[in-house]
Amino acid sequence: KAGVTQTPRYLIKTRGQQVTLSCSPISGHRSVSWYQQTPGQGLQFLFEYFSETQRNKGNFPGRFSGRQFSNSRSEMNVSTLELGDSALYLCASSLGTGGFTEAFFGQGTRLTVV
Amino acid sequence: EDQVTQSPEALRLQEGESSSLNCSYTVSGLRGLFWYRQDPGKGPEFLFTLYSAGEEKEKERLKATLTKKESFLHITAPKPEDSATYLCAGPINQAGTALIFGKGTTLSVSS
Repeated sequence: KAGVTQTPRYLIKTRGQQVTLSCSPISGHRSVSWYQQTPGQGLQFLFEYFSETQRNKGNFPGRFSGRQFSNSRSEMNVSTLELGDSALYLCASSLGTGGFTEAFFGQGTRLTVV
Repeated sequence: EDQVTQSPEALRLQEGESSSLNCSYTVSGLRGLFWYRQDPGKGPEFLFTLYSAGEEKEKERLKATLTKKESFLHITAPKPEDSATYLCAGPINQAGTALIFGKGTTLSVSS
């Protein structure tokens, strides 16, 4: 079956701009989580959406936001970009119900802020 | 504060030289632990879920074990294709959909 798809794979943006990243989860998965990966901080949890509602949130500023659609696809938005937002952004999909299940990651979107 | 710590940061092995990676955690109410493998420029690939102390899981040359305070990923007779960064993660919510990750161990296996 198809895996998690993230688009675009690469992005270059200018400081102060905003950006929207997209994630299509595995069919049947209702939970989508977003992570930021940088060399210094590693993988850090941003937020999780389940059935179109934000269910969990990490410790990131309000410039980072997201949403989930009825087909479980999710978007993440970063406004007023800063140089420090340059990172690999990963989304992970999982069933999200029925107990404790593993998450499957997409290939990520590499964002460079100049 | 919830924390996951991995050691060593980097490990170089010769092909066939077995070793272990460590993951210690202080995630309150830990309900299990995940191991992932990540190749450069790619997303993490799921390896194992360990639910309770004493549990072991195996896959090819990898075996993951879990105690009450730490987990080990044992690599037996590694091959160059096992070179990657290995990440462990603990869930901070009941569904296991919000994860706190360690910084990872970068393994290099030379022939």
